[in-house]
Amino acid sequence: AQTVTQSQPEMSVQEAETVTLSCTYDTSESDYYLFWYKQPPSRQMILVIRQEAYKQQNATENRFSVNFQKAAKSFSLKISDSQLGDAAMYFCAYRNTNAGKSTFGDGTTLTVKP
Amino acid sequence: GAVVSQHPSRVICKSGTSVKIECRSLDFQATTMFWYRQFPKQSLMLMATSNEGSKATYEQGVEKDKFLINHASLTLSTLTVTSAHPEDSSFYICSARDYTGTGGYGYTFGSGTRLTVV
Repeated sequence: AQTVTQSQPEMSVQEAETVTLSCTYDTSESDYYLFWYKQPPSRQMILVIRQEAYKQQNATENRFSVNFQKAAKSFSLKISDSQLGDAAMYFCAYRNTNAGKSTFGDGTTLTVKP
Repeated sequence: GAVVSQHPSRVICKSGTSVKIECRSLDFQATTMFWYRQFPKQSLMLMATSNEGSKATYEQGVEKDKFLINHASLTLSTLTVTSAHPEDSSFYICSARDYTGTGGYGYTFGSGTRLTVV
């Protein structure tokens, strides 16, 4: 079974600074998708960024980028120029292409200090 | 983009009663919907996968008779918590696989339902 591990229960960052959230996963599959989701206090899950395992290039979405290391099974999220609105719980998720089910990490609560 | 509407957002019910939660895909057909349960400051736990026109697939440890899932149409899936007890109090979230492409093969989530059983 696939597992997703987020080793940082809580992180904090100063506004305008950069922070990196860690995620590792375990799978025997070669083709899969990885995601970072944001859950603000409203608890609405919001897709931040995705990465297809077959793509070597790291995904980027504005201030959000990932460092995808397939061999190491690592998928970290970098948030640049942190904003107060980035404060939320962030979940790393794995999805096997065929199964369609997602496995979520335990989450990292990000605090942004003004 | 793809939207999943979930209702109600909050519900309080008495112990022993049943509660129905609805999830509707508003601008796409959701052949598959997923139902999650989330405790405060914890991760999402997959309860079941519902497929339009067929029986839901439940995860190990989830009581099928307690959490009834119906996916009668391509745009509507419902979760009914039967004979609710205080330990069923939780946050329930649905999600659907977004085939429109806007979700990037991710899931579109409903806004969640906070269930409190008193």
